[in-house]
Amino acid sequence: AAGVIQSPRHLIKEKRETATLKCYPIPRHDTVYWYQQGPGQDPQFLISFYEKMQSDKGSIPDRFSAQQFSDYHSELNMSSLELGDSALYFCASSHRGQGAYGYTFGSGTRLTVV
Amino acid sequence: GQQLNQSPQSMFIQEGEDVSMNCTSSSIFNTWLWYKQDPGEGPVLLIALYKAGELTSNGRLTAQFGITRKDSFLNISASIPSDVGIYFCAGRAQGGSQGNLIFGKGTKLSVKP
Repeated sequence: AAGVIQSPRHLIKEKRETATLKCYPIPRHDTVYWYQQGPGQDPQFLISFYEKMQSDKGSIPDRFSAQQFSDYHSELNMSSLELGDSALYFCASSHRGQGAYGYTFGSGTRLTVV
Repeated sequence: GQQLNQSPQSMFIQEGEDVSMNCTSSSIFNTWLWYKQDPGEGPVLLIALYKAGELTSNGRLTAQFGITRKDSFLNISASIPSDVGIYFCAGRAQGGSQGNLIFGKGTKLSVKP
């Protein structure tokens, strides 16, 4: 079965650079969530989109922005990168109404800021 | 913000042992979920619980939604080496967003040397 696809899997950037992470949800899933997981930490919710509109916002820095496109894929844009942004970034997708069983995580993008 | 207290933080297992971990919250949760995460991978859903008192099994895994709706536990029976990993509880608080989850800090399962 198709899963949530994230790209790239690994990314190395320098401080103050920008990065764009991409997420392709499971087909027919209409909701995308972004999480950040620091080393040895639990995932922290950043932002979510339902039907291309922002549906909820968590601890996302102002330097970050995200959007969901007409094909339901989502991009997380990160600017003025800081060392502390180094983390695993997970995307998850679901179909509203399917509850947690439809809530599938991708394998993540490991961002390293040097 | 809301927090989940997950314990223990880490534990060592010997093959064949039963394992138990739990999560508590200061507020009421409508949904409790248990995930397993392997290194460098995304969390994988193990069990989802939707009603207070609900007891659900998935193979050797059993989880319960506490009747107070403020806690949940996960049991793993007859552990095997591939059970090693990090287990997270997660949930949706009453009145919270439909989507985003609050995660516990995780329980790291390792094999006894």
